[in-house]
Formats: sequence, structure tokens, C-alpha cells
Amino acid sequence: KAGVTQTPRYLIKTRGQQVTLSCSPISGHRSVSWYQQTPGQGLQFLFEYFSETQRNKGNFPGRFSGRQFSNSRSEMNVSTLELGDSALYLCASSPQGRSTDTQYFGPGTRLTVL
Amino acid sequence: GENVEQHPSTLSVQEGDSAVIKCTYSDSASNYFPWYKQELGKRPQLIIDIRSNVGEKKDQRIAVTLNKTAKHFSLHITETQPEDSAVYFCAATLHNNNDMRFGAGTRLTVKP
Repeated sequence: KAGVTQTPRYLIKTRGQQVTLSCSPISGHRSVSWYQQTPGQGLQFLFEYFSETQRNKGNFPGRFSGRQFSNSRSEMNVSTLELGDSALYLCASSPQGRSTDTQYFGPGTRLTVL
Repeated sequence: GENVEQHPSTLSVQEGDSAVIKCTYSDSASNYFPWYKQELGKRPQLIIDIRSNVGEKKDQRIAVTLNKTAKHFSLHITETQPEDSAVYFCAATLHNNNDMRFGAGTRLTVKP
């Protein structure tokens, strides 16, 4: 099976802009979770989607949003970008959910906000 | 929600020595504890996991132990090799409400 893929791999934006990141899970996986990874904060959970519904959400402002499509592909959107949003954004897929199954991570999208 | 603390934040060992990383969790109902390894510039990958009905699990040079009473679990790497150098993350999950938290990570350096 093909692994988790994320696009784009690298992105440079300026403050105030918005960005959309995409994640394609492993075929058959219904859960997609998103994480923000920064050197100082480690892996911070953003949200999890399962069967097109947001199942859980971390402590991030409303500027961070997401959705999942019927084919389980997921997108994450960040509006009104701030310098502090610069990070590696990882998505992970699992068959039934991050609390019960092994998660498989994608390569990440490295976002730089100038 | 679940809180996970991981220690130490950095660990340096000589090749061939053992390395131990410990995590504590707050919710006694947590029931699944995976460990991920992230090499520099790469994605996190699962290396071993344990469920709450088991006290220990081993896979070649890697083992994980779970103490449910004390609410802590540990990763043990024996006969360390330079390629073991990476950041290791523990996590604890709570099945009932789909909650999951990662530890802050441990940067392991194995010196040749």
C-alpha cells in the first residue's frame, strides 16, 4: 500500500495570508489526524477527522480548521497567518482512530511564514 | 484530558550501552501506549506499542514496560547503535473519548 502523502511539502507565505494543506491517507484508513511540530513545543495535536466528521480537537485558535472528504482525504486550513504558525505540519492516518490504532505519519508540510 | 510527561529531554549514551526513556501519564483509564521514533528530517514512525492488559513487550533490542499502578511506561533500548540516534516520542491514549497526548520527546544521541 502507498503511504500517507502530504502536499505541498514546502510552503512560504506572508503574515495575514491563508493556506490550505492536503493529506491523503493510506487506502482504507478512515481516520486522519493533524499535528503541528515545532522545535520548542514538540507534537501538538490539532484535530482528528473520522468519516468526514471532526472527532476531536486540540487547543488551537479558530484560525485552524479542517475537513475530510468522502474518500478520507483531508485538508487543513490556516487563515490570517502569523509568524508563530511557522512549523512542520504532519498528518497521520489510522484505520479506526488515533486512540486505538497505530498511526502512520506523512512526510509533513513545512510552512514558513514571513 | 490526558497529560503525558517524558524524561529525559536529552540522553547521550555510548554505543553498546542501554538507553531508558520514561513517560508518566495522568489518566488511569489510558489503555494504549505507542512509542515513535523520528530521525532528523523524517516522519515519526511507530517502533513499539503496548496495551494496558500487558506489562511488558519486547521486539529485538527494544522493549517497553508498563506499570499501571504507578502510571508510567518506559522504553528500553539495549546494545545501542549510532542509527538509534533520533527523537523518541511516547504517547498515551484514552479509547473511550478518542483522546491522545504525546510526550515532549527525548533526543537520544548514541556516540560511536
